[in-house]
Amino acid sequence: DIQMTQSPSTLSVSVGDRVTITCRASQNIGTWLAWYQQKPGKAPKLLIYKASSLESGVPSSFSGSGSGTEFTLTISSLQPDDVATYYCQQYNSYSRLTFGGGTKVEMK
Amino acid sequence: EVQLLQSGGGLVKPGGSLTISCAASGFTFSSYAMTWVRQAPGKGLEWVSGMSRSGGSTYYADSVKGRFTISRDNSKNTLFLQMNSLRAEDTAIYYCAKDQLWAEAGTGVLEYWGQGTLVTVSS
Repeated sequence: DIQMTQSPSTLSVSVGDRVTITCRASQNIGTWLAWYQQKPGKAPKLLIYKASSLESGVPSSFSGSGSGTEFTLTISSLQPDDVATYYCQQYNSYSRLTFGGGTKVEMK
Repeated sequence: EVQLLQSGGGLVKPGGSLTISCAASGFTFSSYAMTWVRQAPGKGLEWVSGMSRSGGSTYYADSVKGRFTISRDNSKNTLFLQMNSLRAEDTAIYYCAKDQLWAEAGTGVLEYWGQGTLVTVSS
């Protein structure tokens, strides 16, 4: 199975900060990567797919980049509503989806 | 509006069985692959199982293969997960999710999620 490693596991930030989360795949997955946001007690929400395509309705403050084995999710200016846990997920093969361990973004 | 309404969770003893459901509305259910993802308490997301839109292809994580069965009733717009030989480590919130693309096989991009249903395996 393809392993997905996210870093950092926790991020303490202030409103207006630029936030960058990294996700590494154990093998080349091209751009078959999605990012999800999960708030406490809620289901995950799709933010980005195909590494850099923004899902409809998602603020443009979110962006994704990368290909192959290294990917990043960037929040250009953190807002209070962005406090959540973020997960990357590879979909190189539908028969074996895998998620990263998650990055919890919290307010300082 | 796409809605995935889950039901059927609860407390079950180790070795027991449970079936959870996901009733879909707001889209043509039979046109999309569907997926189950779980989340153990305080932990991350784990893919469990997926099914093509016709039901002809099914996929399972190694951790549940041979114990769980995914199925769907396209006439009733409902997805199921039958769970047998349950273990303590199966305790989790289970989410159903709709694939992004209108296609027989899933892409794995999970565009809409149900609200989740808690399955607790304990004696």
